[in-house]
Amino acid sequence: DAKTTQPPSMDCAEGRAANLPCNHSTISGNEYVYWYRQIHSQGPQYIIHGLKNNETNEMASLIITEDRKSSTLILPHATLRDTAVYYCIVRGSGGSNYKLTFGKGTLLTVNP
Amino acid sequence: GAVVSQHPSRVICKSGTSVKIECRSLDFQATTMFWYRQFPKQSLMLMATSNEGSKATYEQGVEKDKFLINHASLTLSTLTVTSAHPEDSSFYICSPVKSGTTEAFFGQGTRLTVV
Repeated sequence: DAKTTQPPSMDCAEGRAANLPCNHSTISGNEYVYWYRQIHSQGPQYIIHGLKNNETNEMASLIITEDRKSSTLILPHATLRDTAVYYCIVRGSGGSNYKLTFGKGTLLTVNP
Repeated sequence: GAVVSQHPSRVICKSGTSVKIECRSLDFQATTMFWYRQFPKQSLMLMATSNEGSKATYEQGVEKDKFLINHASLTLSTLTVTSAHPEDSSFYICSPVKSGTTEAFFGQGTRLTVV
């Protein structure tokens, strides 16, 4: 599996945008970028995923660079409830590549 | 859609006993189920992958005779921790994959404490 690199922690003020970076320089052409988050003592929650185009949903936006070697998850208006560990995962599209390999993620702390 | 129910959420058991954790996909079918565990301050580690009606595939270092997985239906999978010891204390999380897709969802997790 392609590996990802994320900063261990970030802080963000409530109401401001949170921009979480992820490097995945060894990503291959058929691998997607997925983002999950885990609030303390809960199971991970799916946020968004993309292949090469930027994506947006009700939770966040995902910006993937043209060379696909890095991406940024954007929470447009962070709230205190967005405090969590955010995982950037590169994943294949089928077969045994179903599985999600979690790294250490980024602990995002949203401050009042 | 995509509701996953994992029970129990917390369990305390004595050393040497067995604990069964259930994972149900309530509004979708899951041919594939992943089971993870997470030790304090660490990330999720995949333990095993099961496909409905087949034997589970275990990751390196995970004892298949200790962590019994049953995936007999498309909506229910169980993980039984047999002869539990304190070092098995962890947060166990199931992740069913919606049949026909690569969408993986997660249960709420089970906090196991072995005393």
